[in-house]
Amino acid sequence: GIQVEQSPPDLILQEGANSTLRCNFSDSVNNLQWFHQNPWGQLINLFYIPSGTKQNGRLSATTVATERYSLLYISSSQTTDSGVYFCAGLRSDKLIFGTGTRLQVFP
Amino acid sequence: EAQVTQNPRYLITVTGKKLTVTCSQNMNHEYMSWYRQDPGLGLRQIYYSMNVEVTDKGDVPEGYKVSRKEKRNFPLILESPSPNQTSLYFCASTRMGRDEQFFGPGTRLTVL
Repeated sequence: GIQVEQSPPDLILQEGANSTLRCNFSDSVNNLQWFHQNPWGQLINLFYIPSGTKQNGRLSATTVATERYSLLYISSSQTTDSGVYFCAGLRSDKLIFGTGTRLQVFP
Repeated sequence: EAQVTQNPRYLITVTGKKLTVTCSQNMNHEYMSWYRQDPGLGLRQIYYSMNVEVTDKGDVPEGYKVSRKEKRNFPLILESPSPNQTSLYFCASTRMGRDEQFFGPGTRLTVL
């Protein structure tokens, strides 16, 4: 089956720092999404980004579908950014989730 | 507000006691699905439905049932829960199954 690797697996930052999270797919997928799972377990939609670049406030994402990867940029991180970040791609009408990046932001 | 709702949010039960987790969406989406999330195993699809009265198995359907009698609702039924079904469950919906998916807040289930 398709493998979805995310890096780094863990990330510890101080407030105000910037970071880049990466998502690599072993095969082509469609309709890539980024999610933030907050400490209460809720999955929050960040980006729906099959290709190209999008920005939403301090967050932006880029997907290069032909090279099977996507990047999530977090600038000026805040403690509320803590949690686990997942990418997921659609394959055969099913979302395949990545392994996740656990982010901790300290004041 | 467009959303997917699940109930209950938390449930502790005992082995063998039938339970239902409800899921409802107000976005008129055709496609709905259930996932479970377990440490080290990530999110795995249990069942999905492409429209009313159309359901199919996902990756881990054993021990679960679903029904889709109305477009907005997609309940997950555990006829005889066992401890290995202790997990965090998510319901999701999307238009036509190939667009952005939206997830409910999750149901944390513990089976003793």
